[in-house]
Amino acid sequence: EAQVTQNPRYLITVTGKKLTVTCSQNMNHEYMSWYRQDPGLGLRQIYYSMNVEVTDKGDVPEGYKVSRKEKRNFPLILESPSPNQTSLYFCASSLQGRTDTQYFGPGTRLTVL
Amino acid sequence: AQSVTQLDSHVSVSEGTPVLLRCNYSSSYSPSLFWYVQHPNKGLQLLLKYTSAATLVKGINGFEAEFKKSETSFHLTKPSAHMSDAAEYFCVVSLEYGNKLVFGAGTILRVKS
Repeated sequence: EAQVTQNPRYLITVTGKKLTVTCSQNMNHEYMSWYRQDPGLGLRQIYYSMNVEVTDKGDVPEGYKVSRKEKRNFPLILESPSPNQTSLYFCASSLQGRTDTQYFGPGTRLTVL
Repeated sequence: AQSVTQLDSHVSVSEGTPVLLRCNYSSSYSPSLFWYVQHPNKGLQLLLKYTSAATLVKGINGFEAEFKKSETSFHLTKPSAHMSDAAEYFCVVSLEYGNKLVFGAGTILRVKS
């Protein structure tokens, strides 16, 4: 089944404790991206990647890191989480870029205490 | 600057009546436009997209949207609402530069029996 998977689905952590949210797609997509969803703000793009080893900042990249060492994986790293990063996070992938259909993962709900 | 505005944060309709979810965008050029739907506790799913072909776009589950350049609008409609349409809907515009997508704040559709 074609899908985007994220892990973990739920995470509660404390301020300053590094964490990684994994994202993997099995559709051989070139483009992958991370979003955070907050009430009343819709989804805001954190980072995106056009291909392996090619990443770029979205609208809200502060406090986040990403890497794209393999085509299928695009982990999101929070080096020192803070409470304002409490949010619902979505990974998405598409065949080549922004005009293609985006396929979203199920989401990761992160709480930073 | 390019942005997207969803004019209603909440819309409530009765089952069997028409649905109208409004979206306006600002763009210097002809954009690519999308509507995505998010059911409770799920990821987002593409409903339909406009990429400079026919101005009336048909999507899944009986939804359609019309691109009106003169009004900079891309409103989503459905002739007859079903209980299963209750969800949050996002209007999305792709930027001409970079490879970003900009999401509207979302419209929560409630369908009453």
